[in-house]
Amino acid sequence: AQSVTQPDIHITVSEGASLELRCNYSYGATPYLFWYVQSPGQGLQLLLKYFSGDTLVQGIKGFEAEFKRSQSSFNLRKPSVHWSDAAEYFCAVGAGGGATNKLIFGTGTLLAVQP
Amino acid sequence: EAGVAQSPRYKIIEKRQSVAFWCNPISGHATLYWYQQILGQGPKLLIQFQNNGVVDDSQLPKDRFSAERLKGVDSTLKIQPAKLEDSAVYLCASSFTKQDTQYFGPGTRLTVL
Repeated sequence: AQSVTQPDIHITVSEGASLELRCNYSYGATPYLFWYVQSPGQGLQLLLKYFSGDTLVQGIKGFEAEFKRSQSSFNLRKPSVHWSDAAEYFCAVGAGGGATNKLIFGTGTLLAVQP
Repeated sequence: EAGVAQSPRYKIIEKRQSVAFWCNPISGHATLYWYQQILGQGPKLLIQFQNNGVVDDSQLPKDRFSAERLKGVDSTLKIQPAKLEDSAVYLCASSFTKQDTQYFGPGTRLTVL
């Protein structure tokens, strides 16, 4: 069965420090992978997605993620965190084919940014 | 371009009452999704529509939940009767086709007392 694991429930980083959020997935075929961000009271906003091709994906707000098939991982990175990045981050895997492309989400990582 | 609209934003009801949520997707988006997000968890798909037809409702508790998308545009999700465990944020999303990026609305936070 498809599943997504985000091992870190809560992470705190200092403003200006680098960030890496972990995501591992379980999927039988080539997955479609996504990172979404959710600010309080807001809907989910897409940061980036991987369908195929280059395994290093660039997204909005200076985020990037790398797909590593051998490790079943799709970790999110940012070289320098800003206070406005404080939010909850969700990794998701999509079936990507057939009649439905429902997303399977991880449980999320809550990011706090210290001044 | 206007985003996905949802109403109400907040709803508090007693258990065994009924409640309905409304979603207006992005104009031209054929695919519409309802997700349930329980506190501390990621969103879980309840139902997916392609135009006005249901594509996937395998995780919809059909004894109490129902959804419709008349005319293939707006959609409503209803719970009748509500249980305590239905307390969650209900997110609506839409995409141009089923293969495209899903855009999410702000959600409706439901509290069942």
